[in-house]
Amino acid sequence: GNSVTQMEGPVTLSEEAFLTINCTYTATGYPSLFWYVQYPGEGLQLLLKATKADDKGSNKGFEATYRKETTSFHLEKGSVQVSDSAVYFCALSSTGNQFYFGTGTSLTVIP
Amino acid sequence: DTEVTQTPKHLVMGMTNKKSLKCEQHMGHRAMYWYKQKAKKPPELMFVYSYEKLSINESVPSRFSPECPNSSLLNLHLHALQPEDSALYLCASSQGHSGDHLAADTQYFGPGTRLTVL
Repeated sequence: GNSVTQMEGPVTLSEEAFLTINCTYTATGYPSLFWYVQYPGEGLQLLLKATKADDKGSNKGFEATYRKETTSFHLEKGSVQVSDSAVYFCALSSTGNQFYFGTGTSLTVIP
Repeated sequence: DTEVTQTPKHLVMGMTNKKSLKCEQHMGHRAMYWYKQKAKKPPELMFVYSYEKLSINESVPSRFSPECPNSSLLNLHLHALQPEDSALYLCASSQGHSGDHLAADTQYFGPGTRLTVL
């Protein structure tokens, strides 16, 4: 079956620190992988995605590489800002119209 | 434009009320979704419409009734809700595919309706 395992939070970092949020998956077929971000009181926004092995998704300084050999899609950012404080969800979509979400990781960045 | 809009933004209702949530997208997407999200949890899928037909119902109680009047609109009719139904209700859409070859789709989410049932 399909599932996503995501690093437990919460994560607290100082501004300009390096961020990694781990995500691993199990899937049948050839899934697409996504990171969504949810700011307080808002819906989910697509942050980045990758549709095949070795693809790198990137946006707003965030990056994640689709690693088939380790079934991973870890989110990284070199220098976080206070405005990056949010909940981050890893997700996968395989054939069909269903998404599988991780449990979410809350990130707080302090000045 | 990747915008999905939802109204109202907030809704407070009693257990005997009837209300509706509305969702709209103009991206030409043919798949639309309702999710329920409790605090500090990931979204839980409720319903999927594909080409205006209900394709997935995740065993949702009948007090939630979805409707897809056309390819751009999705409603969720609420009746006789319980306090435990209080949550953020999210709508999403994706390009959707017909036929047997359903590829993995990107879902675009609306801002949600914050529902409180008293």
